[in-house]
Amino acid sequence: EVQLVESGGGLVQPGGSLRLSCVASGFTFSQYWMSWVRQGPGKGLEWVANINLDGSARHYVDSMKGRFTISRDNVKNSLYLQMNNVRAEDTAVYYCARYLYYGDYWGRGTLVLVSS
Amino acid sequence: DIVMTQTPLSSPVTLGQPASISCRSSQSLVRSDGNTYLSWLQLRPGHPPRLLIYEISKRFSGVPDRFSGSGAGTDFTLKISRVEAEDVGVYYCMQATEFPHTFGGGTKVEIE
Repeated sequence: EVQLVESGGGLVQPGGSLRLSCVASGFTFSQYWMSWVRQGPGKGLEWVANINLDGSARHYVDSMKGRFTISRDNVKNSLYLQMNNVRAEDTAVYYCARYLYYGDYWGRGTLVLVSS
Repeated sequence: DIVMTQTPLSSPVTLGQPASISCRSSQSLVRSDGNTYLSWLQLRPGHPPRLLIYEISKRFSGVPDRFSGSGAGTDFTLKISRVEAEDVGVYYCMQATEFPHTFGGGTKVEIE
């Protein structure tokens, strides 16, 4: 069974940093592109970033370029999102997804709350 | 960026009746490889997002056949032939033809 479990969310002050993790199981992690997608409170879904099989190609939405970094560890079957210089508008549930042209499996998400 | 526009925002439906959601993109979603990367997702409270349809009309594994997708170019539709109580939630279209990938604003399906 494919499982994706996010962790690392919590309360962070504006300008602070946070690292989200997603542990994958039930499939060969190294054979799939992966993505982060978020949903702000009362808002719709927003694609954040994705990463190719070996981490050599990464794509981001413009508003997060330079602040967020997506990475992966294929030995640990893990996906990461390093969030720096966070803003109030980054408050959201962050989902990890197995994803290239569509997300076929998703985690339950981890909540990030940016507030002073 | 490609803008995805969904209508309606909300769709009250009687159990057993059909529902239809429209999604329009600001430009063609046909990619250079000839494929159209338009998918539909369902969000229900307490559940992770669920893929229903990918590449316009391909039903994902385990998705009931009452869900169907159609369309081409810039206009797409998700149809539920007979709405069941478990279908209550918010539905999103999403394009992955061009970066950044973008979602529609969502359509809330509720039972009236």
